[in-house]
Amino acid sequence: GDSVTQTEGLVTLTEGLPVMLNCTYQTIYSNAFLFWYVHYLNESPWLLLRSSTDNKRTEHQGFHATLHKSSSSFHLQKSSAQLSDSALYYCALMGLSGSFNKLTFGAGTRLAVCP
Amino acid sequence: EAAVTQSPRNKVTVTGGNVTLSCRQTNSHNYMYWYRQDTGHGLRLIHYSYGAGNLQIGDVPDGYKATRTTQEDFFLLLELASPSQTSLYFCASSGDRGNYAEQFFGPGTRLTVL
Repeated sequence: GDSVTQTEGLVTLTEGLPVMLNCTYQTIYSNAFLFWYVHYLNESPWLLLRSSTDNKRTEHQGFHATLHKSSSSFHLQKSSAQLSDSALYYCALMGLSGSFNKLTFGAGTRLAVCP
Repeated sequence: EAAVTQSPRNKVTVTGGNVTLSCRQTNSHNYMYWYRQDTGHGLRLIHYSYGAGNLQIGDVPDGYKATRTTQEDFFLLLELASPSQTSLYFCASSGDRGNYAEQFFGPGTRLTVL
């Protein structure tokens, strides 16, 4: 079945440094949608950005990611971390099979930004 | 106005207890989902549904039942709760595939099984 790997459980950064959260995936289907969801403490998770287009950069709220099908990767990046970026980030995959919109989430990466 | 609501927000029960978690969405979405969130495991899908009366098994279904009574309402049932089911539970809804399947989450229910 589908799987998503986020290798870092916790990333700690100093404010102003660049952010890179890793995401790789496995699916048997050639078409896949990749997503990043963000979960702030005591709030609901929400969609940060998504892509299904190979080698095209997608951006939202200062974050960006590029889907690379050749390496099955969809890393999340930001040029300069802010204190308000501290949250739990989930990478997720929807393989286009069957009739149901089923997402497979990674284990999540907690980003802690320090002054 | 919140489009996905959950009740209760917090629940404490004992081992062997019977628990029902409720979810209602006003997005007019066909798909609804139940997840549990645990540190180190992320969001794991328990059950999901496409419309009233439809149920699909997720990735971690053992010990859980679900029922979709209307397009708006989706319930998660724990008939013999165990401490391993202590978790934060999220309900979500989404439109059809053409909408890139963005899922909209509720506020979560924290369940503690003693």
